[in-house]
Formats: sequence, C-alpha cells, structure tokens
Amino acid sequence: DGGITQSPKYLFRKEGQNVTLSCEQNLNHDAMYWYRQDPGQGLRLIYYSQIVNDFQKGDIAEGYSVSREKKESFPLTVTSAQKNPTAFYLCASSSNRGYEQYFGPGTRLTVT
Amino acid sequence: LAKTTQPISMDSYEGQEVNITCSHNNIATNDYITWYQQFPSQGPRFIIQGYKTKVTNEVASLFIPADRKSSTLSLPRVSLSDTAVYYCLVGPPLNRDDKIIFGKGTRLHILP
Repeated sequence: DGGITQSPKYLFRKEGQNVTLSCEQNLNHDAMYWYRQDPGQGLRLIYYSQIVNDFQKGDIAEGYSVSREKKESFPLTVTSAQKNPTAFYLCASSSNRGYEQYFGPGTRLTVT
Repeated sequence: LAKTTQPISMDSYEGQEVNITCSHNNIATNDYITWYQQFPSQGPRFIIQGYKTKVTNEVASLFIPADRKSSTLSLPRVSLSDTAVYYCLVGPPLNRDDKIIFGKGTRLHILP
C-alpha cells in the first residue's frame, strides 16, 4: 500500500535531549512537510522540502532541523533549543503538480 | 497566500445537511480552494478541491460563487462520525516557493 509512515507513534524524552522523528513515503512525491499541532490549535509549518537536498524554513523552524537526502525520507530533529517541544507532529507529502497533501498518522512527543 | 476566515465551531444533528462557509476576500486568480478533515490524533485528510462554481464527490460538495471571495463546504446527511475539524485552505497549486498554511479550522460537532 502507498502512503506515509511516521514512527514512533508516541515518544518520550527528557528535557535537554535531541530527538529525531521519522517520516517515510512511498508515493513518489517530490514535496514533503513537517507540521506541529498543539491542543485545540491548527497546524503550523516547521519545514518543507520541494526537492531532494533542498528544504525551506516554515513559520516555526527555530529549534528544529531537517534533512532530505532521499526522496522518500524527511526526518525531523527536535533539538534541545526548542523551548516547548511537547506537541503532536505531522508529516505530509504532495506532488509538485497538485495541491493535495497526504498526511502520516503523526508522532506525539512528550518532553519532561 | 490568501487569508481565510471560517467559524470556530458548529453543531448539527445526525441526518442534517451541514454547510461550512469560508471567506477569502483576497483570493488570487490562480488560487484553488481546498478543504481538509481532521479527526483527533490523526493527520488531516483531503476532502475536496475546486476553482469555481460547484464540485461534488462521494463525500461532499463545494460551492464557489462567481466572485470566488467565499466558498461553502456542504456535507449531506451527516452522521456522528463526521464530528471533526474542517480546514479551508486557499492558494495556488504547489510550486517550489509555495507552502500551505492551515488555520484553526471549524470544529464540527454532530449530535445524535
């Protein structure tokens, strides 16, 4: 089945530790995105990538880093510099010829 | 990207038709209107997209007046499982410099 996978579904970390969230897609999509969602809020864009080896900052990139070494993969690292990392993280992908985004199931990160 | 305004929340009853309106006064000529649905702890799911007049699929209808400054998502005969957040997005088909912005959406609550 084609789709986007994110792992793990739940992640717990201690404050001060970096953590990497996985996102893989087999839809052959060029573009991939990372969003953050806080309780009762909409989605906020962290980073996006329209092509391999290139990515752009979204609205809330501070404290996060990404890489795009392969078309299928777009991992997100939440660094210790992110002040409030506890949130629901969503990865998405889309074809550059369209407007529909396909979302993964999300990773709920809790930092204590 | 055009700013959108939609109601924060709506209630309706099972079996009713629900209409959610989105205002986008600054819509550009090449902008499309897209709606997503999100259930708790899941990623958003594409519902429907349109440019003008009316679009219908197996899930919903999208009505767009001639001036395109607003749009209405119509959900026929809703059920309890339609309780979700609905996002209206306006923008051009993706290209290298574009990104999608999700607002807070409309929380639809279906009552028995």
